[in-house]
Amino acid sequence: NAGVTQTPKFQVLKTGQSMTLQCAQDMNHNSMYWYRQDPGMGLRLIYYSASEGTTDKGEVPNGYNVSRLNKREFSLRLESAAPSQTSVYFCASSEGTGAPETQYFGPGTRLLVL
Amino acid sequence: DQQVKQNSPSLSVQEGRISILNCDYTNSMFDYFLWYKKYPAEGPTFLISISSIKDKNEDGRFTVFLNKSAKHLSLHIVPSQPGDSAVYFCAATSGSARQLTFGSGTQLTVLP
Repeated sequence: NAGVTQTPKFQVLKTGQSMTLQCAQDMNHNSMYWYRQDPGMGLRLIYYSASEGTTDKGEVPNGYNVSRLNKREFSLRLESAAPSQTSVYFCASSEGTGAPETQYFGPGTRLLVL
Repeated sequence: DQQVKQNSPSLSVQEGRISILNCDYTNSMFDYFLWYKKYPAEGPTFLISISSIKDKNEDGRFTVFLNKSAKHLSLHIVPSQPGDSAVYFCAATSGSARQLTFGSGTQLTVLP
């Protein structure tokens, strides 16, 4: 039982390049989330998927797109990377019952945009 | 506008003493609060939570206190151990989507 996994662990991009961050969970959770963490700041929500087939914007969605590929997988795409997107990206999942619950996080992807 | 604030970026305590980490919030709709612990190069891991209908929740060495009138919560760690050295994030949530709003974190260092 791996929990939440993310690939890649680390990536360097040039400005304007595109990439997709992958996330998968094996806990049969309904809800999945993408956050970014910047120095001196907490985690900020980029996009979330309350259930398979639905996605919604979070606090900082500009410059990103997401795909909920199936119940297990939720990907985050940067179409044209910018230096401001240099950050650590965390994927999380939760049961998604609508009741108060815990979110479980992956190990993160460190992204550097030059 | 930060809805969840952790005003102390860092805290140092001696091993065996109590660590108290504080968190304030402004959104009165928040009904569930969580503390996460984060080691370098790892994802946040869940530590303890509290519902807004309670004022205290205890789990081993960790206790979270909630003061709704002051919109304040705190995490007490007793006794503190060197392995507790990490960044601690306070988070809050409300609504059916259950999005988490995080504070900026407090770096706890427990000195041996």
